[in-house]
This record gives sequence, structure tokens and C-alpha cells, in this order.
Amino acid sequence: DIVMTQSPDSLAVSLGERATIHCKSSQSVLYRSSNKNYLAWYQQKPGQPPKLLIYWASTRESGVPDRFSGSGSGTDFALTINSLQAEDVAVYYCHQYYSTPQFGQGTKVEIK
Amino acid sequence: EVQLVESGGGLVQPGGSLRLSCAASGFRFDEYAMSWVRQAPGKGLEWVSGISWNSGTIGYADSVKGRFTISRDIAKNILYLRMDSLRAEDTALYYCAKANNGAYYYYMDVWGKGTTVTVSS
Repeated sequence: DIVMTQSPDSLAVSLGERATIHCKSSQSVLYRSSNKNYLAWYQQKPGQPPKLLIYWASTRESGVPDRFSGSGSGTDFALTINSLQAEDVAVYYCHQYYSTPQFGQGTKVEIK
Repeated sequence: EVQLVESGGGLVQPGGSLRLSCAASGFRFDEYAMSWVRQAPGKGLEWVSGISWNSGTIGYADSVKGRFTISRDIAKNILYLRMDSLRAEDTALYYCAKANNGAYYYYMDVWGKGTTVTVSS
């Protein structure tokens, strides 16, 4: 199974500043024939189910604010939140769907 | 409105059984794969099981293989998870999630609110 490791486990950022979360997979999740990375990002606020933010590593889901962006390829990925807002406080998870689905352990984003 | 509503959770003794249900509405249930994802108290997300659009491909996490069975009823638009030989470590909030494809090896674009399973004597 592909193991997904996120860093850091938690992150405190001032309002309006940038937050960057990293996700590393134990093997590549790039499907070469389609040139797509089978990697998604979810946001989970307290008491709520996860919400899809990003898929194919960098495609924003409809309705997701453009301050959220995804990048990376192969085994190394990042989720960036530009100009952090109070409503962005949540736990963020990466998810590979290249093989048996696996989630990262989560990164908690708080306001400094 | 696309919606998933889970039910069937509860308190069960170790070694017992439960069947979870997930009622789907607002989309063509027979065109999309589905998964169960769980979250133990205070912990992260764990994929449990997935089923393709036509039930032709099914998969399980190693932690539940041989104990849990996923199925779907296309006529009723319901996804099921039969859980046998339950253990304390199966205690979690169980989410039903829709894949954006007929295969469950895909990102999940719709999630239910979850149903809680507690395994304890």
C-alpha cells in the first residue's frame, strides 16, 4: 500500500498570511498514460464531514475559493492557503486514489 | 440536491454485528462508485471499503478484510456495510462517500454526515 505522510502535523498562521501543507507519498501517484496525479485534498471542520477542495493534485473543486491551491507531482505535493481566513481553521487531509485509497494523517491549521 | 444519509450505527458488544446503510439521492446512484470511510474519536480518516458502479470491483482495507462486507442495492439507491466480529478498534464515525467515477479508486466529491459505531462491553 502507498503510505501518505503529511507535514507538519499542525500549523499556526496569522490571519492574511500563507499556510502551506506538505504531503509525500511512498511511491509515485502519477499515472503516466494520462499525466494525472491521483491526489486529492480535503478540508474537515470540527463536527463536519470532509469537504473536497482539490483533485488531480491541482484542480480546484467548484465553489472552493481561489486562495486554495494545490501543486506537486509524483510523490511530493502541497496545499497552499493564501491569505488565511478565520473560516479556514480546520484539519486538512491528502488522499491518494492511485491504488487502494489512503489518507494522510491530517494537518491541523489554526490562527496564530 | 445530492445527498447521502447514513444510518444503522449504535452500541454493540465485541464480537457482535451491525449493518450500516447509506441512502443516496440527487444523482444517478447506479453510475458512481461508493466508499465507506471511518474516523475513530480524535483521529484521522481511514478508508474502509469501496464498491464500483456495478458491484464488479470491491475492495477492503486490511484492517477489516474478512469481517466487513460492502454491497449496494441499485433499485433502492442504498449502500450497505455489513460488519461482523466487531472489535473495540472499529469504534468510529462511519462516513459514506461518493466517488466522482464508476471506480472507487477516485476522489470523493460528496460525503454524508456519518453514523457512529461504538464497540464496547
